[in-house]
Amino acid sequence: AQKVTQAQTEISVVEKEDVTLDCVYETRDTTYYLFWYKQPPSGELVFLIRRNSFDEQNEISGRYSWNFQKSTSSFNFTITASQVVDSAVYFCALSEAAGGTSYGKLTFGQGTILTVHP
Amino acid sequence: GAGVSQSPSNKVTEKGKDVELRCDPISGHTALYWYRQSLGQGLEFLIYFQGNSAPDKSGLPSDRFSAERTGGSVSTLTIQRTQQEDSAVYLCASSVAWSGASNQPQHFGDGTRLSIL
Repeated sequence: AQKVTQAQTEISVVEKEDVTLDCVYETRDTTYYLFWYKQPPSGELVFLIRRNSFDEQNEISGRYSWNFQKSTSSFNFTITASQVVDSAVYFCALSEAAGGTSYGKLTFGQGTILTVHP
Repeated sequence: GAGVSQSPSNKVTEKGKDVELRCDPISGHTALYWYRQSLGQGLEFLIYFQGNSAPDKSGLPSDRFSAERTGGSVSTLTIQRTQQEDSAVYLCASSVAWSGASNQPQHFGDGTRLSIL
């Protein structure tokens, strides 16, 4: 069975601080996909990034960066120079390859509530 | 282009009533998923559609829950004889054609907040 663990329930930082959100996953599959979603107060889940299990290159997009390490089954998300607009709930998610019987359904972590104070 | 549209945004109903929740996916997206978000259980998968067929219903919590999709587009999630534990936000997501080669991102609607009195 798949499992995603986001051990940090809530994080509070002051604007301009860097913050890292942890994500640890469990799966028996050799091919899988990892995702991060942002859920602002408005409620809609916003897609941020997708990585496949064969690509361990770190990725940077503006103030966002992701560190994927298969050896520790982790896919951590760092926000550099945080801003108040980054305040949201962040979800890490895992899916098996859609060629299997999971049809790409997402298994989510419990989410991390990030609050950025001015 | 329009995103995933869900209606109603909010639904309050009495225990024992039936409810229907609607999802209109992004045009051209053939894969459609329903999830439920509740305080105690987090985000849970309910059902998956590819076109009009539902090859994965493994997440439906009981036989009171059913869903259909017609014309490969709009989907309806029906909950019969609602119970208080059904109170949650029901989220619909769609993605481009399901491919064995890569899992395309799922794009979510704003959800329907269901409250059972």
